[in-house]
Amino acid sequence: EVQLVESGGGLVKPGGSLRLSCAASGFTFSSYSMNWVRQAPGKGLEWVSSISSSSSYIYYADSVKGRFTISRDNAKNSLYLQMNSLRAEDTAVYYCARDLKYQLLPDWDYWGQGTLVTVSS
Amino acid sequence: QSALTQPASVSGSPGQSITISCTGTSSDVGGYNYVSWYQQHPGKAPKLMIYDVSNRPSGVSNRFSGSKSGNTASLTISGLQAEDEADYYCSSYTSSSTSGGVFGGGTKLTVL
Repeated sequence: EVQLVESGGGLVKPGGSLRLSCAASGFTFSSYSMNWVRQAPGKGLEWVSSISSSSSYIYYADSVKGRFTISRDNAKNSLYLQMNSLRAEDTAVYYCARDLKYQLLPDWDYWGQGTLVTVSS
Repeated sequence: QSALTQPASVSGSPGQSITISCTGTSSDVGGYNYVSWYQQHPGKAPKLMIYDVSNRPSGVSNRFSGSKSGNTASLTISGLQAEDEADYYCSSYTSSSTSGGVFGGGTKLTVL
């Protein structure tokens, strides 16, 4: 059974940093590109970042470019999101999601349960 | 303001059919057959219901179908059931920028 489990969310002050993790199991993690997608409270979905299976191709939404860094460790079946210079508008539930087919197509077939990041003083 | 336009809400009675629209531009919905639909129940992660305009992932009921005409994609749910009550989001590949896609603002489906 495919499972994605996020961790690392919490309360952080504006300007602070946080590192999210996503532990994958039940599939060959190293064969799939992965994504972070977020959802602000009461709002819609927003794609944040994508990383290819071998980390060769990495993309970011303009809203987080220069502040967030996506990475993965295929030996540990894990995906990460390092978030720096956090702003109030980064407050959201962050999901990791697996690509069904190709990078940059918004068809994600498996999602984690999400981890809440709250940026507030 | 979302890049793709969806109605805020739709409703229907059990057994009926409903359709949710998703309007974009020629740079996204109209230009590519890469439209997806997600179902999200309160407090839960989104679930992929339709991809590539009209394909259903394994395990998704055939009561869910997708289509596209011009710049507007549609999700149709037939034989409405109480468990279909949820938020639905459309998404599309976009050529406008290097991004993981654009989303609609979501549609709240109420089963009366």
